Amino acid sequence: DAKTTQPPSMDCAEGRAANLPCNHSTISGNEYVYWYRQIHSQGPQYIIHGLKNNETNEMASLIITEDRKSSTLILPHATLRDTAVYYCIVRVAKGRRALTFGSGTRLQVQP
Amino acid sequence: DTEVTQTPKHLVMGMTNKKSLKCEQHMGHRAMYWYKQKAKKPPELMFVYSYEKLSINESVPSRFSPECPNSSLLNLHLHALQPEDSALYLCASSSGQEETQYFGPGTRLLVL
Repeated sequence: DAKTTQPPSMDCAEGRAANLPCNHSTISGNEYVYWYRQIHSQGPQYIIHGLKNNETNEMASLIITEDRKSSTLILPHATLRDTAVYYCIVRVAKGRRALTFGSGTRLQVQP
Repeated sequence: DTEVTQTPKHLVMGMTNKKSLKCEQHMGHRAMYWYKQKAKKPPELMFVYSYEKLSINESVPSRFSPECPNSSLLNLHLHALQPEDSALYLCASSSGQEETQYFGPGTRLLVL
């Protein structure tokens, strides 16, 4: 699985959009980009994933650059409950099933 | 429904105790996982079960013994643990090889 690079921490004002970047410059054509988050002392929560196209669900949007070397997770209207560690994970579609977590980005939403 | 349940929520055990962690899902998922998470670190894979058979063991010490009695249940048997084994133990499941994994809330283990 390709390695990812994320900023260690970010702040965001409540009600504003939170844009969390992830660099995955060694990504292969068959590797998906997954985003999970972990609120303090809870299990990781799946947010969204994508291969090439941008994706949106009720939680967030995922923007993947055309060359697929980086992506951005967008929380459109951050709330205090979105304070968490956000993990960007690159994973092959087939083969090893497990997720390899990096260090993630600690997002602090400020009131 | 994407719920994975884990019991107990918290566990304190001595180094000579034997205890078990339990994980359950009723989503019909055929792959189940154990991860270990130390404080301020990301989760790390321990074991993967696929169709109730152990498919990956990440060189985990034998004092951790996984068991998958049926497709909905995953256990982790603990024996003669060390204080450094204190961590959050996370269970996850997925419907297949390339499907999204869903995590339980974890069991926080303290070994004295």
